[in-house]
Amino acid sequence: RKEVEQDPGPFNVPEGATVAFNCTYSNSASQSFFWYRQDCRKEPKLLMSVYSSGNEDGRFTAQLNRASQYISLLIRDSKLSDSATYLCVVNNRSGNTPLVFGKGTRLSVIA
Amino acid sequence: ETGVTQSPTHLIKTRGQQVTLRCSSQSGHNTVSWYQQALGQGPQFIFQYYREEENGRGNFPPRFSGLQFPNYSSELNVNALELDDSALYLCASSRSTDPNEKLFFGSGTQLSVL
Repeated sequence: RKEVEQDPGPFNVPEGATVAFNCTYSNSASQSFFWYRQDCRKEPKLLMSVYSSGNEDGRFTAQLNRASQYISLLIRDSKLSDSATYLCVVNNRSGNTPLVFGKGTRLSVIA
Repeated sequence: ETGVTQSPTHLIKTRGQQVTLRCSSQSGHNTVSWYQQALGQGPQFIFQYYREEENGRGNFPPRFSGLQFPNYSSELNVNALELDDSALYLCASSRSTDPNEKLFFGSGTQLSVL
């Protein structure tokens, strides 16, 4: 089982739609979780950290379920500019790899 | 802009050649991490440098090596290039080695091995 798994998509949604992505992780000792956004052929940029209590930043809401070992990202009122790949990232704090990235979920918001 | 710069932006090499990629970290950052991102994949951790010493390494062979300089800039060297080394190579700097510290990525070097 891969350390971090995401549905690669693509998710094609109309403007204004609500879309949700899930990500599962295999290491129960994982301690920190993040969502990064990556535009085509550009560098990843931190979108938001994911806290146990859940957190919201404008139209974006992140949730963590430790018992089931998954993380979610909800985007409300999708904009064309939200089109990108969303990378789920897990900090294992063990072994040699500080952060483990998922393959990403591709989102296309259509006018 | 993150303040992390990488050079060159694009590079074409042939199998067996050697390549050096460069990264200038953001001011005030002493930690540099290198990632390889193949097409359709997420970034894979290669190694991290902290105060000129390697501070962790992912599952990459020894022909991937690096350096960090006193000004915290860094180089990634790859010897005996293989076709599968074709990828986007990303450098990220941070204020410390704490994995919770925010990573600031450069725009990457797109390497094509023919």
